[in-house]
Amino acid sequence: GEDVEQSLFLSVREGDSSVINCTYTDSSSTYLYWYKQEPGAGLQLLTYIFSNMDMKQDQRLTVLLNKKDKHLSLRIADTQTGDSAIYFCAETRIYQKVTFGTGTKLQVIP
Amino acid sequence: GAVVSQHPSWVICKSGTSVKIECRSLDFQATTMFWYRQFPKQSLMLMATSNEGSKATYEQGVEKDKFLINHASLTLSTLTVTSAHPEDSSFYICSASTRDRGRWGYNSPLHFGNGTRLTVT
Repeated sequence: GEDVEQSLFLSVREGDSSVINCTYTDSSSTYLYWYKQEPGAGLQLLTYIFSNMDMKQDQRLTVLLNKKDKHLSLRIADTQTGDSAIYFCAETRIYQKVTFGTGTKLQVIP
Repeated sequence: GAVVSQHPSWVICKSGTSVKIECRSLDFQATTMFWYRQFPKQSLMLMATSNEGSKATYEQGVEKDKFLINHASLTLSTLTVTSAHPEDSSFYICSASTRDRGRWGYNSPLHFGNGTRLTVT
């Protein structure tokens, strides 16, 4: 089956940039997503990118996709304490179920 | 837009009883709804996929007689945990998707409810 992997933990200082990485194995992936989960809550869609795109920017968030290496990253500029959460990347093909990564816990140090 | 409401947020029940969890899409028609289970500090495990008006498709290892899923309308899906046991205690999350190409293209991103914390005593 498809695999989506992330590092488990990232710690950054408030004001710095955070970069969360994700690798996937399905070369047919069409859509790639980033979700944020705060403690005890569901998942909040942050952004998504189509596989024919290399980059997408939305305010403090920048998504980079290297399709050749099957590598996806999420950069958060000027990281704030409110950004502390678990971040999941996910991928899917058209009409197929979504496969989630293992999640990266982001800790922001004031 | 794209709000999914899940109810209840948390529930405590006695072993042997049944619990129903509701998932509603508030501002769009959810042609497909998904039910996930999440163990502490782990990723989401897909339990089943339900399309409106048809039987749910369960993932391998998920007991369909224990986890009853109903998706009778385009805005509501329910998960009933029957004869709950302490090992069923978990965080259950629903999500909804639409194939409305006019709004999202071929595949909409999943939109999640806030989850239900089930504790079986």
